[in-house]
Amino acid sequence: QVQLVQSGAEVKKPGSSVKVSCKPAGDSFSSYGFTWVRQAPGQGLEWMGRIIPMLDVADYAQKFQGRVTITANKSTTTVYMELSSLKSDDTAVYFCARGGQWLPNWFDPWGQGTLLIVSS
Amino acid sequence: QSALTQPASVSGSPGQSIIISCTGTSSDIGTYNYVSWYQQYPGKAPKLIIYDVSRRPSGVSPRFSGSKSGSTASLTISGLQAEDEADYYCSSYRSGSTLVVFGGGTKLTV
Repeated sequence: QVQLVQSGAEVKKPGSSVKVSCKPAGDSFSSYGFTWVRQAPGQGLEWMGRIIPMLDVADYAQKFQGRVTITANKSTTTVYMELSSLKSDDTAVYFCARGGQWLPNWFDPWGQGTLLIVSS
Repeated sequence: QSALTQPASVSGSPGQSIIISCTGTSSDIGTYNYVSWYQQYPGKAPKLIIYDVSRRPSGVSPRFSGSKSGSTASLTISGLQAEDEADYYCSSYRSGSTLVVFGGGTKLTV
């Protein structure tokens, strides 16, 4: 059964950037898309964007356009999400999830989540 | 404000059935049969329980079922059990630059 393993918690200062990794273990990397979703404390889920590793194509939510970059390294089978110009309201748990190869119509499984705290 | 509208909370007694609604627009649920549902326990990652409106992933209990009418999708949980107490989120593919929208989540109390 595939698992997605994410990098550890981060504490960053406002204005800086963070890069979170997500490595699927035990499955075909290029047969799926990978999505990033965040959840602020006590809040709901928010879709940030996704990447199709086979095409190296990424799509981003309008809210994060210009501030988020999702990449995939096919040689290490790892997906990355970089968020720049961090603000305090970026404090959240960031999840990666495997999805459909062409359409992001389902997300399964999910990584364990990476807590990001943005504080001066 | 979330793009999909869910009730903040629902409750039911063990053995009963409950329905959680998820209302969208013609840009998402009303046009595409790509509605999915997720179950989330506190402090845990979400888990897929329904995809493509009514399909159940392998291993998910048949007590969970999904449907859609117009721009509203619904999740039905039958034979409620204590372990069903969790947060539930709907999601839909949508046209435009933001390809996916989530509902605000529904807290189920059993």
